[in-house]
Amino acid sequence: DAGVTQSPTHLIKTRGQQVTLRCSPISGHKSVSWYQQVLGQGPQFIFQYYEKEERGRGNFPDRFSARQFPNYSSELNVNALLLGDSALYLCASSLDLRDYGYTFGSGTRLTVV
Amino acid sequence: SQQGEEDPQALSIQEGENATMNCSYKTSINNLQWYRQNSGRGLVHLILIRSNEREKHSGRLRVTLDTSKKSSSLLITASRAADTASYFCAMFNYGQNFVFGPGTRLSVLP
Repeated sequence: DAGVTQSPTHLIKTRGQQVTLRCSPISGHKSVSWYQQVLGQGPQFIFQYYEKEERGRGNFPDRFSARQFPNYSSELNVNALLLGDSALYLCASSLDLRDYGYTFGSGTRLTVV
Repeated sequence: SQQGEEDPQALSIQEGENATMNCSYKTSINNLQWYRQNSGRGLVHLILIRSNEREKHSGRLRVTLDTSKKSSSLLITASRAADTASYFCAMFNYGQNFVFGPGTRLSVLP
């Protein structure tokens, strides 16, 4: 079985641009969560989606948005990129909203120049 | 902002030695989980301990939880070079999902 798939693996963008990151969950998993990990720090929670609805949101500005599609894949969008948005963006999938069984993808490394 | 703290920030040991990492947190939790991350890539789940448990074992891993002190520790016994990685504690609360600590960078020298 395929694990959590994230694309692209690496991305370089210019300040002010917009970016879309994609995540495909493990087959059968209906929840996707997004995390931002700045170099040298632990991941920070951005969003959780379950059955196409937002079920949790971290302390991030409105420039960050996400959605989940009928096939349970998800996109994270970041507008008006800042240098500080440079980070590893991790996606995790889970069966539902239970408190265990989260599987993380390998992440998308975003560099803003 | 981080709601968990881990110490040490970095740890260097010889193969065969034990490694102990500590985690403290500030709010109540449903459970606490430990993850490993190699070279800034994806997180791998190691072990979960619930708020009503005090100790759990999994292979060479032993985790303890003291909810009165809001702290946890991860012990890796008989360490191997392949254990070299960053280790994160993650506190789970419904609505906030996971709150990760800043991590401990473990280096196991052959």
